[in-house]
Amino acid sequence: DTAVSQTPKYLVTQMGNDKSIKCEQNLGHDTMYWYKQDSKKFLKIMFSYNNKELIINETVPNRFSPKSPDKAHLNLHINSLELGDSAVYFCASSRYSTGTSYGYTFGSGTRLTVV
Amino acid sequence: QQPVQSPQAVILREGEDAVINCSSSKALYSVHWYRQKHGEAPVFLMILLKGGEQKGHEKISASFNEKKQQSSLYLTASQLSYSGTYFCGTDHGGATNKLIFGTGTLLAVQP
Repeated sequence: DTAVSQTPKYLVTQMGNDKSIKCEQNLGHDTMYWYKQDSKKFLKIMFSYNNKELIINETVPNRFSPKSPDKAHLNLHINSLELGDSAVYFCASSRYSTGTSYGYTFGSGTRLTVV
Repeated sequence: QQPVQSPQAVILREGEDAVINCSSSKALYSVHWYRQKHGEAPVFLMILLKGGEQKGHEKISASFNEKKQQSSLYLTASQLSYSGTYFCGTDHGGATNKLIFGTGTLLAVQP
């Protein structure tokens, strides 16, 4: 069974449209993340939720809004898509503790192309 | 704040060794290493916590020097399956478990 699953895998859309990406994990992890990987392969943190609470909110345009209905799901909604939003978006999850650090498990990614 | 990796790219023959370095400008709590094959998700290799420990994963091991704020990944007797882009991820402590990923190192192993 897939540990972290994202849908859709590919998303091609026109500028100005609104789209959502969904992520689900069945690992029992407490924390989920959204990362953006650009054409230069840089992986940049966008958001993180711990048990449905937003704990990381990097400098991301307001057009991006994450939502976590429960600790196993984290969705990303993007309004008014722009050409510069084209990238691969990865969802990830990890265990959580303030006393240590845990490895991430990534989803397979969503390749978003804005035309 | 993004950790800097070196080299940017390396080409090896099967059986050769490689070292990938990761350097941060901020104090480190832990360092993670991941490998990403083309068109796939990054895969977790190992984590090194404060304490300067060295860890191993088959023929891949890593070290962590807190004082120098650096980590190195060692790949010995490389195999074709080692090809991919390697990323370090740095955790600077705090309550968020946030990772900042490095600039990446492309490793190509040829027969």
